[in-house]
Amino acid sequence: EVQLVESGGGLVKPGGSLRLSCAASGFTFSSYSMNWVRQAPGKGPEWLSSISSSSGYIYYADSVQGRFTISRDNAKNSLFLQMNSLRVEDTAVYYCARAPGGGADQLEYWGQGTLVTVSS
Amino acid sequence: EIVLTQSPGTLSLSPGERATLSCRASQSVRSGHLAWYQQKPGQAPRLLIYVASSRATGIPDRFSGSGSGTDFILTISRLEPEDFAMYYCQQYGSSPRTFGQGTRLEIK
Repeated sequence: EVQLVESGGGLVKPGGSLRLSCAASGFTFSSYSMNWVRQAPGKGPEWLSSISSSSGYIYYADSVQGRFTISRDNAKNSLFLQMNSLRVEDTAVYYCARAPGGGADQLEYWGQGTLVTVSS
Repeated sequence: EIVLTQSPGTLSLSPGERATLSCRASQSVRSGHLAWYQQKPGQAPRLLIYVASSRATGIPDRFSGSGSGTDFILTISRLEPEDFAMYYCQQYGSSPRTFGQGTRLEIK
């Protein structure tokens, strides 16, 4: 069974940093592209970033370009999102999601999400 | 950036009725890379349809997708009680990947 479990969320002050993790199991992690998506309270999902299976291709949304960094450790079946210079508007539930890769990037499996709250 | 506009914002129907949800893109979606997701309160989105018309694993055949270019449709042929939820379209043909604002399907 495919499982994605996010962790690392919490309360942080504006300008602060957080590192989110996503632990994957039930599939060959190194064969799939991975994504981060967030959803602010009462809003629709917002795609943030994707990383290909071997980390060769990385993309970001404009809203987080230069502030967030996606990475992965295939040996540890883990995906990460380093978030710096956090803003109040970054408050959201953050999801990791698996995509097939190779040009097919539908988000076929999602984790349960981790809540990030940016507030003074 | 491709902007996706979903309509209607809210759709009120009864179980057993047919639902038709629309997603219009501001420019052509490359290779028909358009997906539909269902989301219930407190849950993550769930993939229903990808490449505009392919059902994801385990999705009932009452869900179907169609369309190409800039106009896409999600149809639910006969609504079941568990189908009342939020629905989002997403394009993944170009970066940044973008989502529509959603259609709320509610019980009439």
